[in-house]
Amino acid sequence: GQQLNQSPQSMFIQEGEDVSMNCTSSSIFNTWLWYKQDPGEGPVLLIALYKAGELTSNGRLTAQFGITRKDSFLNISASIPSDVGIYFCAGQDSNYQLIWGAGTKLIIKP
Amino acid sequence: DAGITQSPRHKVTETGTPVTLRCHQTENHRYMYWYRQDPGHGLRLIHYSYGVKDTDKGEVSDGYSVSRSKTEDFLLTLESATSSQTSVYFCAISPGTGRYYGYTFGSGTRLTVV
Repeated sequence: GQQLNQSPQSMFIQEGEDVSMNCTSSSIFNTWLWYKQDPGEGPVLLIALYKAGELTSNGRLTAQFGITRKDSFLNISASIPSDVGIYFCAGQDSNYQLIWGAGTKLIIKP
Repeated sequence: DAGITQSPRHKVTETGTPVTLRCHQTENHRYMYWYRQDPGHGLRLIHYSYGVKDTDKGEVSDGYSVSRSKTEDFLLTLESATSSQTSVYFCAISPGTGRYYGYTFGSGTRLTVV
């Protein structure tokens, strides 16, 4: 089946740092999505991307839909403690099914 | 703001016993989904429903069944629980399909099979 490769698997960050994560696929997607999951909760949508090349921001978050439609990245600028959690990418294929990445866990360095 | 609730939130059960998880929505959304979440795997679709009594299998449907007798309720049943079904289960709802409408997820059910 289709798979998404999400990297890195985890990141240790210090407050104020910029963060970058990405997802790649062997298949083309029509929509790319980025979600965040806090401990004990379900994922919450951060950004949805609908067109190849699209660059969308949501506060300190910026995501892009790759030109090839096979990748996407998410950047977080000037990280703050509440940014910790697990970030998931998901792609919607031509059958409108969502394929999920395995997640990037963001951890604050002590 | 709970338009979607899952019950129970936690459950421990023994191998071989049947288990039913419930997802209840107040949004009148047509689509409902059951996912499982395991470390290193992201979210994997078990079953979904596109209307009352209309359901279909997802990527990891073996050992699971679902029922939807009312718009607001979507039940997931493990006929005979196994240790490999220890996981966190999430329900999601969506108003439609086609261009992505957005999923709203419940808070999850942590199931442990001993």
